[in-house]
Amino acid sequence: KQEVTQIPAALSVPEGENLVLNCSFTDSAIYNLQWFRQDPGKGLTSLLLIQSSQREQTSGRLNASLDKSSGRSTLYIAASQPGDSATYLCAFADQTGANNLFFGTGTRLTVIP
Amino acid sequence: GAGVSQSPSNKVTEKGKDVELRCDPISGHTALYWYRQSLGQGLEFLIYFQGNSAPDKSGLPSDRFSAERTGGSVSTLTIQRTQQEDSAVYLCASSLALSSTSTDTQYFGPGTRLTVL
Repeated sequence: KQEVTQIPAALSVPEGENLVLNCSFTDSAIYNLQWFRQDPGKGLTSLLLIQSSQREQTSGRLNASLDKSSGRSTLYIAASQPGDSATYLCAFADQTGANNLFFGTGTRLTVIP
Repeated sequence: GAGVSQSPSNKVTEKGKDVELRCDPISGHTALYWYRQSLGQGLEFLIYFQGNSAPDKSGLPSDRFSAERTGGSVSTLTIQRTQQEDSAVYLCASSLALSSTSTDTQYFGPGTRLTVL
């Protein structure tokens, strides 16, 4: 079974700072990975999707990377804003072909104005 | 356009009662997923529907849990004889997933918060 770990569990940074969220997984035979954000009382919003053949994806101030050999993914947030405050979750689909995702427990980010 | 919707948003029930949770996926999405988010447990996969194929029920925690998807659209997750450990947020997601081996972004609903007293 895929084990997904996110460190740190919580992070507070001042506004404007660049930051990196980390995600590690135990099985390199992944199909794809996604980064989501979850706001309190709301569902998940997909941020970036990286296929197993890709190394990174970028969307605005966000950049996600994937290194299957080391079992790691990172989400880089540039010039953080208070509106970025949320819980960030990484999730993987494995190579069985099924689309169910294995989620990490998340990193709760607080950007301080 | 309309996203994934779920109802009710909150449900409080007594131990031993049955509950039904509803999910309306995005129109045209062929794949539908149910997940459970428990305090301190993270998100766990429950069940997956893809088109007319038999659902992947590998994540259902016990035979008290079942789900159906009528007409390839709306889905209902049923929990029979609820237990306190069933208390969680139940999230539904849908995606285009044109085949069982394709992959696509999953779009999540706001969830149903279930509390079993």
